[in-house]
Amino acid sequence: GQSLEQPSEVTAVEGAIVQINCTYQTSGFYGLSWYQQHDGGAPTFLSYNALDGLEETGRFSSFLSRSDSYGYLLLQELQMKDSASYFCAVFSGYSTLTFGKGTMLLVSP
Amino acid sequence: NAGVTQTPKFQVLKTGQSMTLQCAQDMNHEYMSWYRQDPGMGLRLIHYSVGAGITDQGEVPNGYNVSRSTTEDFPLRLLSAAPSQTSVYFCATRDFTDTQYFGPGTRLTVL
Repeated sequence: GQSLEQPSEVTAVEGAIVQINCTYQTSGFYGLSWYQQHDGGAPTFLSYNALDGLEETGRFSSFLSRSDSYGYLLLQELQMKDSASYFCAVFSGYSTLTFGKGTMLLVSP
Repeated sequence: NAGVTQTPKFQVLKTGQSMTLQCAQDMNHEYMSWYRQDPGMGLRLIHYSVGAGITDQGEVPNGYNVSRSTTEDFPLRLLSAAPSQTSVYFCATRDFTDTQYFGPGTRLTVL
């Protein structure tokens, strides 16, 4: 089976940088994705790492180390609108995307 | 383009009733899936389909049926609703870059 571990909650202030970690155990790993979900809304795609290293998209970056079964999402220049839940998810086969339980990010003024 | 649409947005059922949650997409994606989301549990895969006529079970398939007769539609059927099926249900498609697109969700309460 697959399992993912991420912190349940992270707090930060506006303008700061925050890192959300994700460790996984899976067979047949293909890649690690990150999704954002605002309260009451649908998850939306943020990033995908299939290879080791850092992927940058605007204020958001995602990192993957396949040898350590570890990845993280880095959010810079935090804004109030970044308050949301963030999910890591692993592809363990063409058809299966397994999600972690999510990290709630609270950004305060 | 509407993307992924789901109906209804809200539904209340009594134990033992059956119903179908509708999901439609206009992005011509072959892959579609259903997830349920419960507090503190993340999203769990119920069923998925890699194309018309092909479906398979996910992590939590019991109590649910699916079919895929067209590329556009992927309905989820609850056979005999139980309180444990109270949840938020999301339908999703996936494109060739492995990006998943979620519908707005259906909030189901089973009394």
